[in-house]
Amino acid sequence: GDSVTQMEGPVTLSEEAFLTINCTYTATGYPSLFWYVQYPGEGLQLLLKATKADDKGSNKGFEATYRKETTSFHLEKGSVQVSDSAVYFCALSPVIKAAGNKLTFGGGTRVLVKP
Amino acid sequence: GAGVSQTPSNKVTEKGKYVELRCDPISGHTALYWYRQSLGQGPEFLIYFQGTGAADDSGLPNDRFFAVRPEGSVSTLKIQRTERGDSAVYLCASSSPGGGSGELFFGEGSRLTVL
Repeated sequence: GDSVTQMEGPVTLSEEAFLTINCTYTATGYPSLFWYVQYPGEGLQLLLKATKADDKGSNKGFEATYRKETTSFHLEKGSVQVSDSAVYFCALSPVIKAAGNKLTFGGGTRVLVKP
Repeated sequence: GAGVSQTPSNKVTEKGKYVELRCDPISGHTALYWYRQSLGQGPEFLIYFQGTGAADDSGLPNDRFFAVRPEGSVSTLKIQRTERGDSAVYLCASSSPGGGSGELFFGEGSRLTVL
């Protein structure tokens, strides 16, 4: 079945540092790929997405590129802020749309940005 | 409200008791999902409704778990004879007709603790 593997945290950074969170997946065909974020005390929310190979999703300074050859969707941000402290989840949605938007999530990576 | 609403936000119960968790999705969203998130892990799919019917209940762990959505809006997740291993945050999400962008909109979750 489908699966998502992402690097374990916590990741502790100083403000303005570069952030990378690795994510790889196993799935049939060409799934859609997502990064969701959970800020303290809030629900999960979509950060960015990509629906086909070589697509780049971007939002709030974060980027991730859909790499079919390496089955990866690594999240990057060039200069993090304290407000980026959160738990980040990589996820995929299957190709078959009869499954709706049933997402398979990775285990999450906690990021703590210190001033 | 504009977002997905879940009640109760916290529920503490004793082993063997019956529990109901409620989800009120975003108005107009026909698809509704239940996930379970254990501490330090990513959300795990439980069940997905399209309208009133369960389109996919493959994630329900056993027959103690049941969910309904009788009028195609509010959904209730029901857990019978609760066990300590059922302790987790139960997340509800909804999405727009046709799946839209593939985005799920999550509530803040119901934290269940079974003593």
